[in-house]
Amino acid sequence: AQSVTQLDSQVPVFEEAPVELRCNYSSSVSVYLFWYVQYPNQGLQLLLKYLSGSTLVKGINGFEAEFNKSQTSFHLRKPSVHISDTAEYFCAVSDVQGAQKLVFGQGTRLTINP
Amino acid sequence: ETGVTQTPRHLVMGMTNKKSLKCEQHLGHNAMYWYKQSAKKPLELMFVYSLEERVENNSVPSRFSPECPNSSHLFLHLHTLQPEDSALYLCASSQDRQARQPQHFGDGTRLSIL
Repeated sequence: AQSVTQLDSQVPVFEEAPVELRCNYSSSVSVYLFWYVQYPNQGLQLLLKYLSGSTLVKGINGFEAEFNKSQTSFHLRKPSVHISDTAEYFCAVSDVQGAQKLVFGQGTRLTINP
Repeated sequence: ETGVTQTPRHLVMGMTNKKSLKCEQHLGHNAMYWYKQSAKKPLELMFVYSLEERVENNSVPSRFSPECPNSSHLFLHLHTLQPEDSALYLCASSQDRQARQPQHFGDGTRLSIL
């Protein structure tokens, strides 16, 4: 079985500052990795995904994430955040083999201060 | 813009009421999901349907009853709910159940049990 740990429940940053949201996973098999974003009063929206190939994955809204197999991590980064990035961010994993079953972390609330 | 539409957006009901949540996807997907999102907890997968057949039921109490009449529509019938069932209920869909397929979420129904 897989599990996901998002190390920070809340991350406050100033506008135009860089940000990193941390995600570590545990799995005995190969996994696919996803980051989703949830804006207030909305559902989850896919930011980016890692399936295979290059370990650096670029997503929407200027976000990117790097898959590190040895550290079982998939941290999300953005070099300069905007007020509109205020949201909750979820990391998720899915076993490569078998039918899709996303396992989510508990989420990180990103707050951007002016 | 969302390809997955959920109604109603908000629902308040007493413990003895019967109500239904509706989800419709306009993406031509073959798999649909119900999730429960409670504060301070990771998303909990409740039910999975693939080609209108229920393929997963994650130990959900019988007071929640799903229905999938066709690949575009998914319902969650509610009866005799408990206060701890108050949460955001999210519907999602994916092209199929391959692990690499991302899920597309609706904006959810905020359910409050009096």
